[in-house]
Amino acid sequence: DAGVIQSPRHEVTEMGQEVTLRCKPISGHNSLFWYRQTMMRGLELLIYFNNNVPIDDSGMPEDRFSAKMPNASFSTLKIQPSEPRDSAVYFCASNKAGGPSGELFFGEGSRLTVL
Amino acid sequence: TQLLEQSPQFLSIQEGENLTVYCNSSSVFSSLQWYRQEPGEGPVLLVTVVTGGEVKKLKRLTFQFGDARKDSSLHITAAQPGDTGLYLCAGVGGSNYKLTFGKGTLLTVNP
Repeated sequence: DAGVIQSPRHEVTEMGQEVTLRCKPISGHNSLFWYRQTMMRGLELLIYFNNNVPIDDSGMPEDRFSAKMPNASFSTLKIQPSEPRDSAVYFCASNKAGGPSGELFFGEGSRLTVL
Repeated sequence: TQLLEQSPQFLSIQEGENLTVYCNSSSVFSSLQWYRQEPGEGPVLLVTVVTGGEVKKLKRLTFQFGDARKDSSLHITAAQPGDTGLYLCAGVGGSNYKLTFGKGTLLTVNP
């Protein structure tokens, strides 16, 4: 079975540009999570969806960040405008548990560099 | 905010050595997970411990959950280069259903 699929794997952009990261969760999983990983702060939960509905976005750093899940097989995380401090690896994860406390299945991540 | 402190932050050892890494908190967790993350990949779950004092073994890896469910340890026997990676612990708090991750221990096993 295919795992969580993320794109792009790498993105280099200039400050002020819009960035869109994409995620396809594992088929049959009804919860989807976006995490950000940096050396300084480790893995941080940004937002999670259950059955395509955003349940908790308290980790979204500011209004420049937005996430959508239009259907069960696709989600996007958008940053507009991007800033150098947004540089990080962004992970999408999914599970069947219906919440953020069960086993998470992670994608390979999208490494974002904002110059 | 429930914090998980992992130690050591970095560990470099020779193949065949034993090692232990730690995950500590002042908070009680209802369960705790250990993940391993290889370079360029996402974390992969190794084990979940639920009961205070619980010990789980996965081949050469032994995981223990503290009696008070505030800490955990991972012991690796006869480490191999394939064990190289970032080891992350993640806990679920009693009143906080969210998974809180530690920053991890970066293990390098040299041939």
